[in-house]
Amino acid sequence: GQNIDQPTEMTATEGAIVQINCTYQTSGFNGLFWYQQHAGEAPTFLSYNVLDGLEEKGRFSSFLSRSKGYSYLLLKELQMKDSASYLCAVRSGGSYIPTFGRGTSLIVHP
Amino acid sequence: GAGVSQSPSNKVTEKGKDVELRCDPISGHTALYWYRQRLGQGLEFLIYFQGNSAPDKSGLPSDRFSAERTGESVSTLTIQRTQQEDSAVYLCASSFLNRGPQETQYFGPGTRLLVL
Repeated sequence: GQNIDQPTEMTATEGAIVQINCTYQTSGFNGLFWYQQHAGEAPTFLSYNVLDGLEEKGRFSSFLSRSKGYSYLLLKELQMKDSASYLCAVRSGGSYIPTFGRGTSLIVHP
Repeated sequence: GAGVSQSPSNKVTEKGKDVELRCDPISGHTALYWYRQRLGQGLEFLIYFQGNSAPDKSGLPSDRFSAERTGESVSTLTIQRTQQEDSAVYLCASSFLNRGPQETQYFGPGTRLLVL
């Protein structure tokens, strides 16, 4: 099986930068996803990493190190609307189905 | 449609009753997934459809749970003889199946099920 770990909760200040970490243990790694989920809403896709390195997309960036089983999501210039749960999901082997972590609840305060 | 839709959005039922949850995927998406999300928890995989066949049912928690899909369209998740531990948000997602780098899943808004 897979084991995915993320911090349960983080807080940050509007305008700041926050890094949400995700560590995983799996065999046959085949991609890592980050999703954002606002309270009471469906998860929405943020990023996908399958090779080592940093993928930048506007204020959000995602990093992957396959050898370390580690990823992070970096959010810059935080806005109040960034308060949400951030889900890390890992796909392995030939499966289409990613396994989700429990999510990190990010609270952005003024 | 423009996105994945699910109905009902909320369902309150009594223990022991059967419930049926519906998912309408994005048109053209071959794959359809059902997940369960308990309060404060991550997404728990239930079942996956490729077309109208279900190659992976490994996540269904018991034989009270079943699902079907008509062609590459609507899917229904049925929970028989509901128990209080079935209370959760049931999320449906759909995606293309092209083994490309981004087989992104698009999620519906979920059905919030409360079993009293």
